[in-house]
Amino acid sequence: QSVLTQPSSASGTPGQRVTISCSGSRSNIGSNAVNWYRQLPGRAPELLISSNNQRPSGVPDRFSGSKSDTSASLAISGLQSEDEADYFCATWDDSLSGYVFGTGTKVTVL
Amino acid sequence: EVLLVETGGGLIQPRGSLRLSCAASGFTVRNNYMTWVRQAPGKGLEWVSTKRDDGSTYYADTVRGRFTISRDNARNTVSLQMNSLRAEDSAVYYCARGTTVDGHAFDFWGQGTLVTVSS
Repeated sequence: QSVLTQPSSASGTPGQRVTISCSGSRSNIGSNAVNWYRQLPGRAPELLISSNNQRPSGVPDRFSGSKSDTSASLAISGLQSEDEADYFCATWDDSLSGYVFGTGTKVTVL
Repeated sequence: EVLLVETGGGLIQPRGSLRLSCAASGFTVRNNYMTWVRQAPGKGLEWVSTKRDDGSTYYADTVRGRFTISRDNARNTVSLQMNSLRAEDSAVYYCARGTTVDGHAFDFWGQGTLVTVSS
């Protein structure tokens, strides 16, 4: 059981905006930067957002991240069929002295 | 071009040992955090272990005392020695590189190697 909680699923129609939440605590999100990963079916994960809100080179600006206190969010605007994937938040946890991933959210494009 | 290639997975009996290797190219492993992440079939991602650029190592509670992460600077590889394997260790194991800005932001991943622990 992960210390970072995400909704199990989210969905939207093409062009819509979808937001995924990631809830943690003071020892993880409250103290460290949050990263977001996308995992397409059958593929390795890929870094989508680093340091709460930074997009690595090549990641479209449709993806944005934010953090407030002990929660973080990933927003996908202009939803596209290729965005169907699993999304995971992650951060370091000072109490566990370990890295923790969120429970994961499956995004479906209707 | 940065590339990570994992090898060493396979079918192993409970209580057995296996050594995974991650061959890196396009960068030098000693300059980055290098991490192993696993994913059981149909499940989410689980952090396993990290070796930082300063040589320090960190392990998940679920593997501490059984797994050992190491780095071979000459061969530019990172390895994961897995002992006393259990059924719950069955997963695809990914090797990942941390960025130089945030060692725990994994910007490159290998394709993964499957470990199945079963009698």
